[in-house]
Amino acid sequence: EVQLVESGGGLVQPGGSLRLSCAASGFTFSNYDMHWVRQAPGKGLEWVSTIGTAGDTYYPGSVKGRFTISRENAQNSLYLQMNSLRVGDTAVYYCARVRTTVGMDVWGQGTTVTVSS
Amino acid sequence: SYELTQPPSVSVSPGQTASITCSGEKVGDKYARWYQQKPGQSPVLVIYQDSKRPSGIPERFSGSNSGNTATLTISGTQAMDEADYYCQTWDSTTVVFGGGTKLTVL
Repeated sequence: EVQLVESGGGLVQPGGSLRLSCAASGFTFSNYDMHWVRQAPGKGLEWVSTIGTAGDTYYPGSVKGRFTISRENAQNSLYLQMNSLRVGDTAVYYCARVRTTVGMDVWGQGTTVTVSS
Repeated sequence: SYELTQPPSVSVSPGQTASITCSGEKVGDKYARWYQQKPGQSPVLVIYQDSKRPSGIPERFSGSNSGNTATLTISGTQAMDEADYYCQTWDSTTVVFGGGTKLTVL
């Protein structure tokens, strides 16, 4: 079964750091680009970062310089290092598999990040 | 930066046709995708490449994309289709989501 399972969420103070993980199974992880997408409480979906199969990375302006996406293909794992966290980063964070020209065809269940003092 | 605009809400009676629009500059020149998200659940891809359905998505879901508007159409809407729907495309290396539309079946 194709599956993505996120972990690492929690409560952190403003200015703090957190590292999210996404464990992939049931497919050849190294063959796929991967996204992180977040959803603030009661709000819509927001793209957070992308990593390509070659390790190329992309970010929106809202997180660039603070968040770092990475992957470890040998471990079938995706990561998101989040530094200098802000209250506005509070959200459910999803990892998603990307099929080229198709889109995000597999999503994890999400992990909740709460930034609060 | 590129933006996609969706109506915040759409209502439809059971059995009728629901249409959800997604407006963006020359969005017809890009591929549009649509995701369905029910309360407490992760999003699910329902339309890709403007009008194609992934395996397992009912035939009542269809899509089109031309000019400045992409449209998701649900024919014979059922109560189980009540959800939030998000359009999505790419602009250069940026992933762009619409703000989402809450579909109410009443």
